[in-house]
Amino acid sequence: KAGVTQTPRYLIKTRGQQVTLSCSPISGHRSVSWYQQTPGQGLQFLFEYFSETQRNKGNFPGRFSGRQFSNSRSEMNVSTLELGDSALYLCASSLAGYLSEEQFFGPGTRLTVL
Amino acid sequence: KQEVTQIPAALSVPEGENLVLNCSFTDSAIYNLQWFRQDPGKGLTSLLLIQSSQREQTSGRLNASLDKSSGRSTLYIAASQPGDSATYLCAAYAGGTSYGKLTFGQGTILTVHP
Repeated sequence: KAGVTQTPRYLIKTRGQQVTLSCSPISGHRSVSWYQQTPGQGLQFLFEYFSETQRNKGNFPGRFSGRQFSNSRSEMNVSTLELGDSALYLCASSLAGYLSEEQFFGPGTRLTVL
Repeated sequence: KQEVTQIPAALSVPEGENLVLNCSFTDSAIYNLQWFRQDPGKGLTSLLLIQSSQREQTSGRLNASLDKSSGRSTLYIAASQPGDSATYLCAAYAGGTSYGKLTFGQGTILTVHP
């Protein structure tokens, strides 16, 4: 069974640009969550999607947005990039996201903003 | 607001030692607690998931315990090996409407030297 996949693995952007990251969950998983990991703040929750609906959102500015498609694949978008957005972005999938379920993480996308 | 703390922040041990990593959380109303391993620059690998109704879980040389009343979880690693060197993270899940949201500790960096 294939794990969670994320593309691209590495990105370099400049301030002011926008970026789109993609996450494909484990087959059959319908919940996808996104996290930002930085050395200073650790792992912080961005948002969660289930059946194309955002059910939960963390404390991030509106520049961070996401969506989920009917096949459960998810994308997150960051507009007007800032230097502080440089981070490892991780997505996780689970069956439904609210039961006593294990979450499985992808390898992450390393975003560098210059 | 749930806060998760991990002690120690770093640990260096010789190969073969048994060791304990500690995780504490402020809100005992958790649904489950999950332990992860992260290798440098990589995603998270799930190690053990403990449901709120359980006291412990075991997988190979790993044993995790959960004491909700005291707000603590421990990860016990038996007969440590150099390949165990990584960052270990614990994460609490509140359940309910906190869809998909794990609250992470800052991690314990483990180094096992030959």
